[in-house]
Amino acid sequence: EAGVTQSPTHLIKTRGQQATLRCSPISGHTSVYWYQQALGLGLQFLLWYDEGEERNRGNFPPRFSGRQFPNYSSELNVNALELEDSALYLCASTPVYSNQPQHFGDGTRLSIL
Amino acid sequence: GNSVTQMEGPVTLSEEAFLTINCTYTATGYPSLFWYVQYPGEGLQLLLKATKADDKGSNKGFEATYRKETTSFHLEKGSVQVSDSAVYFCALINQAGTALIFGKGTTLSVSS
Repeated sequence: EAGVTQSPTHLIKTRGQQATLRCSPISGHTSVYWYQQALGLGLQFLLWYDEGEERNRGNFPPRFSGRQFPNYSSELNVNALELEDSALYLCASTPVYSNQPQHFGDGTRLSIL
Repeated sequence: GNSVTQMEGPVTLSEEAFLTINCTYTATGYPSLFWYVQYPGEGLQLLLKATKADDKGSNKGFEATYRKETTSFHLEKGSVQVSDSAVYFCALINQAGTALIFGKGTTLSVSS
């Protein structure tokens, strides 16, 4: 069974640009979660999608947005990039929303120059 | 609100030493508790879990017991190996399952 896959592995952007990160959940999983792991800030919850709908978002500005497609894959979009957006962005999935373990991908390393 | 506090690192041990990483939590209701491990350059891997009080999660020689009376979920291993060197995260999720709340992570370094 394939795990959660994320692309690209690395992404380099400059301030003000826009970034798109992609995530494919484990087959059969309908819930997708996004987390930001920034140096010194730990892991912070960004967004949660289930059945194509945004169910919850963390304490991040509106320039962080995303969507979930009918095949349950997801995109995270970050507009007007700032230096502090440099981080590892992790995607996780579960089979329907639940308190079951979330399975993580290897992440996308976003670097803002 | 919900929160997780885990001991500051780094933790430096010699091979075959005993490991304890402390984790306490604050949560309403009955959360599920997890330990995740992150090896260098990789994402998070679930190490073990416990979903109710007094449950013991175990995997790869690691153990943790869900203690509701002390709101704790300490990670232990009797004999660490160099390959256990990684960052360990304690986490909880509430019954609604909305998002994982993580501790800040503890870096473990094991030398031979």
